[in-house]
Amino acid sequence: QSVLTQPPSVSAAPGQTVTISCSGSSSNIGNNYVSWYQQLPGTAPKLLIYDNNRRPSGIPDRFSGSKSGASGTLGITGLQTGDEAVYYCGTWDSSLSARVFGGGTKLTVL
Amino acid sequence: EVQLVESGGALVQPGGSLRLSCAASGFSFNGYSMNWVRQAPGKGLEWVSNIGSSGTTYYADSVRGRFTMSRDTATISVYLQMNSLRDEDTAVYYCATSSEYSISSGMYYWGQGTLVTVSS
Repeated sequence: QSVLTQPPSVSAAPGQTVTISCSGSSSNIGNNYVSWYQQLPGTAPKLLIYDNNRRPSGIPDRFSGSKSGASGTLGITGLQTGDEAVYYCGTWDSSLSARVFGGGTKLTVL
Repeated sequence: EVQLVESGGALVQPGGSLRLSCAASGFSFNGYSMNWVRQAPGKGLEWVSNIGSSGTTYYADSVRGRFTMSRDTATISVYLQMNSLRDEDTAVYYCATSSEYSISSGMYYWGQGTLVTVSS
């Protein structure tokens, strides 16, 4: 059972927009930064969003992040087939003194 | 170019020990915290441990007391000493960088991972 809660799967057609939610509590998301990772099949995770809404260099602006209270959201616009991957949210939990992840959301681009 | 190269993964029997290494290059090693993150076959990501530039460490409850993380500025590497290994430690182990100044900031760079299999 993950500390952060994500939907197991989402799907949308190419060109459309999708959002992925990440729900936590005051001990983690509520008082810490949220980050998002993309894991393509058979590869290592890659940082997509850090500090709630910042993109590393090279990440297209089709990817965005936001945070409200104890929840974070990843948005992807202009979906492409190459976006099919598992997406994870993560943060620090101040009560556990540990990094925590969501269970992952598999994105299918129909 | 930033590179993190893990090594040391192997097949080991339950109760055994293993030492993983992560060689870093292309960035200012002393300016980053380092992490180990693992992924069991077909499962999600699980954070294992973190070490700051000063050597302060944090561990997941599942490995505390069995695993020890260290870093060496001479070899520009981090290590994970794993003792009393269990079947459930079977996973691909990734090393990843994170901010030295904000512990909740994202893990920016990742290695390609090394596979640890615990089985008799």
